[in-house]
Amino acid sequence: DAGITQSPRHKVTETGTPVTLRCHQTENHRYMYWYRQDPGHGLRLIHYSYGVKDTDKGEVSDGYSVSRSKTEDFLLTLESATSSQTSVYFCAISGTGPTGSPLHFGNGTRLTVT
Amino acid sequence: GENVEQHPSTLSVQEGDSAVIKCTYSDSASNYFPWYKQELGKGPQLIIDIRSNVGEKKDQRIAVTLNKTAKHFSLHITETQPEDSAVYFCAASDMEYGNKLVFGAGTILRVKS
Repeated sequence: DAGITQSPRHKVTETGTPVTLRCHQTENHRYMYWYRQDPGHGLRLIHYSYGVKDTDKGEVSDGYSVSRSKTEDFLLTLESATSSQTSVYFCAISGTGPTGSPLHFGNGTRLTVT
Repeated sequence: GENVEQHPSTLSVQEGDSAVIKCTYSDSASNYFPWYKQELGKGPQLIIDIRSNVGEKKDQRIAVTLNKTAKHFSLHITETQPEDSAVYFCAASDMEYGNKLVFGAGTILRVKS
């Protein structure tokens, strides 16, 4: 799994509570991404990071924030979870090079908001 | 922004037959087109990718073709086996600021033995 660890693997939380998901990589890759996967939608980009403290929004960023204080860690926070954020969340990493590098994914976190 | 459409949403084939999954994209700036395979409970795994300066790429039983003029690309799996059963995703990226992939909705492939 390209040295990517997501935690927790499963979480159930109540509407309105804050939730933080963690992604840890051992590849020293520059880029990190958070995607969510929902039936019929494939994977959609939430936020990404292009370096320590450098982040930007993706396609579905509303209701989410991220932080990257170290190269190896990328955190995704739901400030006040809603039922529409029930999903499977995947972290991905990629390196750099003249023509970029492929994305490699972790095994996901299944989040249920009740 | 980029939009990727993928067809069919489900595909059943007999073991040994070929399977073809097709994708179209909208942004002419996209220049990188990977295919991922996802098994139950796991993250997507890259199986093959192609860049815009290449029309076709093969890796054993898997091949990808790209038609930049028509903005479509396809995954071909020959001599399918039961272990090919999975969900397959196509994606596209312009490789700017990393590799922000836009994914298709996925194809469930079932190989019947």
